[in-house]
Formats: sequence, structure tokens, C-alpha cells
Amino acid sequence: DTGVSQNPRHKITKRGQNVTFRCDPISEHNRLYWYRQTLGQGPEFLTYFQNEAQLEKSRLLSDRFSAERPKGSFSTLEIQRTEQGDSAMYLCASSLGLAGLQQETQYFGPGTRLLVL
Amino acid sequence: AQSVSQHNHHVILSEAASLELGCNYSYGGTVNLFWYVQYPGQHLQLLLKYFSGDPLVKGIKGFEAEFIKSKFSFNLRKPSVQWSDTAEYFCAVKPSGTYKYIFGTGTRLKVLA
Repeated sequence: DTGVSQNPRHKITKRGQNVTFRCDPISEHNRLYWYRQTLGQGPEFLTYFQNEAQLEKSRLLSDRFSAERPKGSFSTLEIQRTEQGDSAMYLCASSLGLAGLQQETQYFGPGTRLLVL
Repeated sequence: AQSVSQHNHHVILSEAASLELGCNYSYGGTVNLFWYVQYPGQHLQLLLKYFSGDPLVKGIKGFEAEFIKSKFSFNLRKPSVQWSDTAEYFCAVKPSGTYKYIFGTGTRLKVLA
């Protein structure tokens, strides 16, 4: 399967612990997005990478959240000092963006479901 | 604040019925528009998209959507639904010049065989 993969698929943690999720995009895709989705809601934009540069970040993202894409390939999303309100599905998407063009198609991964007890 | 409204949260139809799902957005500038679908147990996938040109966009599986700029709407249509169209449908907007996609809350469609 050459789609977007995310690991782990499920994570249960206790409040206050740190968690890290990984996203492996489609290999030639230069753009990578992280979203959070809670029950009954659509995906909520968290952050965007173009290659290794984090170019856009939601103001809703607290300081406890950090994301990296060190070599422009896979990305990690870390949540420090988790809270029960962090329980959600965390989605990753990737796309191939061409310079100067806005057109792109995002391909989503299966998500990581986080439960904070 | 920019937002996307999907007024129908749950829709139940019989096979062969026609479908129209509403999507309205609040943003005054140029936007790119999308409909995504999530079938049970599967990833979100793109159904169709609008960037410019003909406001009537055709997507996969017989779906189409019409961009009406004056109404800030991008409604999804299908003339005759099938049981296999049972899924959750999300409308999304991306303001031009940003990479921030704004999704609606989704519409759960159930098609009865």
C-alpha cells in the first residue's frame, strides 16, 4: 500500500503524559498536513509543512503541541502533558504541490485515535 | 471567523432518490472548494474539487457540485443514490493564499436498499 500511513493507530494514555504520533506521507509528496477530529465534527486544521518547513500553524494549537518534519519526509506530532480534552482522532494528509499553483489533492491517512484517561 | 456550514447532519434516502447536500461558507475572498467522503471504515477521500472556471464540477461516482459565488454555496448533488453511497460527507474550503483547510461538521448519509 503506497498511501499515507500513521502510527500508532490507537493510543491510550494517562493525563499528564506525553505522546508522539508519526505520519508517513506518500513518498513524492512535498506537502503535509495535520488535523484533529472530534466526535461529530469535521477535521480541524492544526499545521502545514512544505518539505521540512512548517509554514502555517493554527492559533488554536497550544504550546503543548509541536510538530516536526525534519527531512521533509515523515512527520511527528507531539502532545506534551496531555489533557482529557486532547482525546480525538489525529489525521495526517499529504499532497503534491507545484510551485505557484494552489491546486492540489490531499490524501488522508487512517488517523491515530487518542484517548486520554 | 471563517467557517463552513453543513445544515443537514443526517440524511436518510431510499435507493434511486436524488441527493442534495448543502454547504455554505463565510469568507469574502477567493476560495477553493472541496467535498470529501468517508465510507464506513475507510479514510477520508476526495470526491470533487473546484478551483476556478466552470462552477459546475463533476466528481467521482456520479457526484457533482455547483459553486454559486453570490450565495457562498457549494452544494453536492447526485441524481440517483445507491446503497453504496452510505457514508459521511464533508465540505471544505481553502481560502486562496493559505493552506488552511476549513471543514464543515459533516453530513451522515444513509441509503436504504
